[in-house]
Amino acid sequence: KAGVTQTPRYLIKTRGQQVTLSCSPISGHRSVSWYQQTPGQGLQFLFEYFSETQRNKGNFPGRFSGRQFSNSRSEMNVSTLELGDSALYLCASSLKLAGGHADTQYFGPGTRLTVL
Amino acid sequence: LAKTTQPISMDSYEGQEVNITCSHNNIATNDYITWYQQFPSQGPRFIIQGYKTKVTNEVASLFIPADRKSSTLSLPRVSLSDTAVYYCLVGDRGNSGGYQKVTFGIGTKLQVIP
Repeated sequence: KAGVTQTPRYLIKTRGQQVTLSCSPISGHRSVSWYQQTPGQGLQFLFEYFSETQRNKGNFPGRFSGRQFSNSRSEMNVSTLELGDSALYLCASSLKLAGGHADTQYFGPGTRLTVL
Repeated sequence: LAKTTQPISMDSYEGQEVNITCSHNNIATNDYITWYQQFPSQGPRFIIQGYKTKVTNEVASLFIPADRKSSTLSLPRVSLSDTAVYYCLVGDRGNSGGYQKVTFGIGTKLQVIP
C-alpha cells in the first residue's frame, strides 16, 4: 500500500506570495492532519480534516487554510507569506475509527517551504 | 490537551538499552500514548502505542505505570541508525466519530555513539 505523498517536496517563494501544498493520504484513510515543523518551535499542529470538514485547528493565523476533497486528498494554503513561514510542512493521515482505539497517524515526507 | 515533557537530548553507546521517559501529568482517561521517531528532513514514523501497563513490538517496548502520568520508551541494543528525534504524544481519542487532536512534545534528540 502506498504511503502518504506530498507535493511538491521543495518550494521557494518570496514574501507576500501565496502557496498551495498538496497531500494524498494512504488509500482508505479519511483523516488528514497538517503540521508545521521549524527548528525553534518543533512540530506544531495546524488543522485536521475529516469528511471534507475541518475538525480541529491549531493556533495559527487565518493566513493558513486548508480543505479536503471527497477522495480524502487535502490541500493547505498559506497566503501573504512571511519569512517566518519557512518550515517543513508535514501531512499525516489516519483511518479515523469511530470511538475505540486512538488512530495512528502516518506521516508523509513533508514539503520544505523556503520564503525569501 | 495533555502537555508532555521529555528530555531534550540523550547520548548512548551502541549496543546499550536506551530508556526515554515522557511526563504527561494531565493525561485524560481516553488518551493513548504514542511514540514517533523522526530522522532529519523526514516525516515522523510510528514506533509504538499504548494505554496502560506494558506494550512490546519488534522495535521497542513501552512502559506505562498505573497512574499513567508518565511513560517510558525502551529501545533495546541501539545502533547508529537509531540516532533520531523521538516524540511522545498524548492523543485525545475524541467522541464517537473519532475527532482527534494530538499534541507533540519537543522531542528527545537521541545520539548513538559508536
